[in-house]
Amino acid sequence: EAQVTQNPRYLITVTGKKLTVTCSQNMNHEYMSWYRQDPGLGLRQIYYSMNVEVTDKGDVPEGYKVSRKEKRNFPLILESPSPNQTSLYFCASSPTGYSNQPQHFGDGTRLSIL
Amino acid sequence: AQSVTQLGSHVSVSEGALVLLRCNYSSSVPPYLFWYVQYPNQGLQLLLKYTSAATLVKGINGFEAEFKKSETSFHLTKPSAHMSDAAEYFCAVNTEGFQKLVFGTGTRLLVSP
Repeated sequence: EAQVTQNPRYLITVTGKKLTVTCSQNMNHEYMSWYRQDPGLGLRQIYYSMNVEVTDKGDVPEGYKVSRKEKRNFPLILESPSPNQTSLYFCASSPTGYSNQPQHFGDGTRLSIL
Repeated sequence: AQSVTQLGSHVSVSEGALVLLRCNYSSSVPPYLFWYVQYPNQGLQLLLKYTSAATLVKGINGFEAEFKKSETSFHLTKPSAHMSDAAEYFCAVNTEGFQKLVFGTGTRLLVSP
């Protein structure tokens, strides 16, 4: 089954404790992206990747890091999480970086940072 | 810069009634437009997309949307609501030459018996 898989689905942690949210897709997609969803703000892009070893900032990149060493994986790293990063996070992928193609989303990761 | 406005953070309808969710976009160039649906505890699923072919676009689950350039709108409709349609709906626009989706703030659809 074609899918985008995120882990963990839920995480409660404390300020300053480094964490990684993994994202993997099995569709051989070139483009991958991370979003955060907050009430009343919709989805905002954190980082994206056009292909392996090519990443760039989205609209809200502060406090986050990403890497794209393999085509299928695009982990999101919070080096020193803070309470304002409490949110619902989504990973998405698309066959290419062309703008007319829809994105496929994972089921989300709910992070709570105390 | 591109932007999307979804009027109404919540829309309530009765089962069997018409569903109308509004989306207006701002763009100086022809856009690509998408509607996504989010069920509780799930990710976003594509409902339909407009990519400059027919202006009336049919999607899954009986939904459709019409692209109206003169009104810069892409409203989502369904003739008869089902209880299973209760979810949050997001309109998104892309006008850049590459993937750069900009989402609206979402509309939660409530369906009562």
